[in-house]
Amino acid sequence: GAVVSQHPSWVICKSGTSVKIECRSLDFQATTMFWYRQFPKQSLMLMATSNEGSKATYEQGVEKDKFLINHASLTLSTLTVTSAHPEDSSFYICSARGEFRPSYEQYFGPGTRLTVT
Amino acid sequence: TQLLEQSPQFLSIQEGENLTVYCNSSSVFSSLQWYRQEPGEGPVLLVTVVTGGEVKKLKRLTFQFGDARKDSSLHITAAQPGDTGLYLCAGAENNDMRFGAGTRLTVKP
Repeated sequence: GAVVSQHPSWVICKSGTSVKIECRSLDFQATTMFWYRQFPKQSLMLMATSNEGSKATYEQGVEKDKFLINHASLTLSTLTVTSAHPEDSSFYICSARGEFRPSYEQYFGPGTRLTVT
Repeated sequence: TQLLEQSPQFLSIQEGENLTVYCNSSSVFSSLQWYRQEPGEGPVLLVTVVTGGEVKKLKRLTFQFGDARKDSSLHITAAQPGDTGLYLCAGAENNDMRFGAGTRLTVKP
């Protein structure tokens, strides 16, 4: 168990458009979901933490108006990159923490590669 | 913010060699996780250590949590090309998890 999916796996968009990335927990209920960003050959950078039904908590330096996060259900969180620019090109990864699992267990999705042209 | 330092940052070895990756912090963690990430994929959890001094083995991988729960090590015996990837440690405290910068391991056949 503990499978997390992301959609799309990759996306190319034009500068100025918005892109939505979905993160789903397939076989468990995720009370908390996390969104990370990863640049080539670097580690994961936490962008925000979202709890079901409440507003996301953003890390310092992450623009909440640019990276809109919605966690409307216990199995789905979405990240929308608004007015995307080439510098937003990155690998975006979500993870989920289960309602009935130890709080330290996070399960990661396969990631979404965003390229903004 | 708890900081996790991983060393070495890069490691390139020949198949069959042994290696150790370190994860150090000045903070105490309630648990520490090790992940492996392959290019273009999300991290995959290898192990969670919770108790100070704990040692866990996963086939050729041995994980150790320091007595003070501030540091951890990952030892790989007889490395294989399939072990190639980015190894990340992550410390958890109060529902907050932070990742180290990672160790990029390349095992040459």
